[in-house]
Amino acid sequence: GNSVTQMEGPVTLSEEAFLTINCTYTATGYPSLFWYVQYPGEGLQLLLKATKADDKGSNKGFEATYRKETTSFHLEKGSVQVSDSAVYFCALNIQGAQKLVFGQGTRLTINP
Amino acid sequence: GAVVSQHPSWVICKSGTSVKIECRSLDFQATTMFWYRQFPKQSLMLMATSNEGSKATYEQGVEKDKFLINHASLTLSTLTVTSAHPEDSSFYICSATGQGGTGELFFGEGSRLTVL
Repeated sequence: GNSVTQMEGPVTLSEEAFLTINCTYTATGYPSLFWYVQYPGEGLQLLLKATKADDKGSNKGFEATYRKETTSFHLEKGSVQVSDSAVYFCALNIQGAQKLVFGQGTRLTINP
Repeated sequence: GAVVSQHPSWVICKSGTSVKIECRSLDFQATTMFWYRQFPKQSLMLMATSNEGSKATYEQGVEKDKFLINHASLTLSTLTVTSAHPEDSSFYICSATGQGGTGELFFGEGSRLTVL
């Protein structure tokens, strides 16, 4: 079946630190991979995505590369800000389908 | 991006009562809406998919008589938890996708249900 496993949180960092949130997946077929972010009191928002192997998604300084050989899609940011504090969800869908399979979410807190 | 709004954002009810949660697309017509459930420290689990004007399609293991979903218009879907019990306490999230576009999903802010 299809599943997503994320790094367990919560993760607490200081401002300007380097961030990595690990995400690995299992899937039948050829999935598209996503990172969603949920800020306090808001709905999930698409942060970035990649639709095929070796694609790199990027947005707001965040990056993630679709690694088929390691079935991973780790989220990285070189220098985090307090405003990046949120819950981050890794997800996949099988191309053409709109059903998303989510990881459990990782709560990130950035301290000034 | 497009806006999806849920109401209420939190609700507390007594065991045995029914609770209705609304999901509205505010600035686009949502042909398809999805309802998810999230337990603490766990991932979002898809409960059902609803298309405007037709019956919802439920995921395996989700009781359709327990979780009634109605998608009567292109801007509104409702989830009714019937005869709620404490084990139904959870965070319920809807998402919607519209006609045309990229197929991107837009999420509501979620509704927290607590059954006493």
